[in-house]
Amino acid sequence: EDKVVQSPLSLVVHEGDTVTLNCSYEVTNFRSLLWYKQEKKAPTFLFMLTSSGIEKKSGRLSSILDKKELFSILNITATQTGDSAIYLCALRRDSGYALNFGKGTSLLVTP
Amino acid sequence: EAQVTQNPRYLITVTGKKLTVTCSQNMNHEYMSWYRQDPGLGLRQIYYSMNVEVTDKGDVPEGYKVSRKEKRNFPLILESPSPNQTSLYFCATRPHSNYGYTFGSGTRLTVV
Repeated sequence: EDKVVQSPLSLVVHEGDTVTLNCSYEVTNFRSLLWYKQEKKAPTFLFMLTSSGIEKKSGRLSSILDKKELFSILNITATQTGDSAIYLCALRRDSGYALNFGKGTSLLVTP
Repeated sequence: EAQVTQNPRYLITVTGKKLTVTCSQNMNHEYMSWYRQDPGLGLRQIYYSMNVEVTDKGDVPEGYKVSRKEKRNFPLILESPSPNQTSLYFCATRPHSNYGYTFGSGTRLTVV
């Protein structure tokens, strides 16, 4: 049973395009939703979202959480080839510290 | 420099030969955990530890053991590895406060 579902599974875009990655979930009680970028090996932290409707922004990346509709999006504007990676969404459960990960969206940005 | 160090980075071993993957952090984080990542299944938690001498099972603990004798180290032990434990393993840590998790560089394990 998938509690965290990411879409699309895979995406290929041209440099300069804007992409929106989706993360929907079924759990209603959770502490936070996190986004990670995974290139060759270790996932690197991007954002942590705890409140609905408040956008987090870092350079060309931004993310927002909608607790009513149970989803989050990650936006990347003016994509670059260095954005090519797998983007992971994870929920931190209400009890304990475990993360429930989605299966990721594989993004390829072509020159 | 704050970091989570896993060793080894790559390991090929035979079925049944006990092995340990080490994880060490220099950030004084209380919480440490192990995940495995498999194609089509994503990252799944194996074990976690809330502090020294406090460990608990995650979602896929079968075939693994852990120990937390000191705060900085959280080794993952495979007493009798089997081919279905071939995977990419990550150690992750975080402090008690509400920050994101820091992942180690990963250990690619192949059991033949």
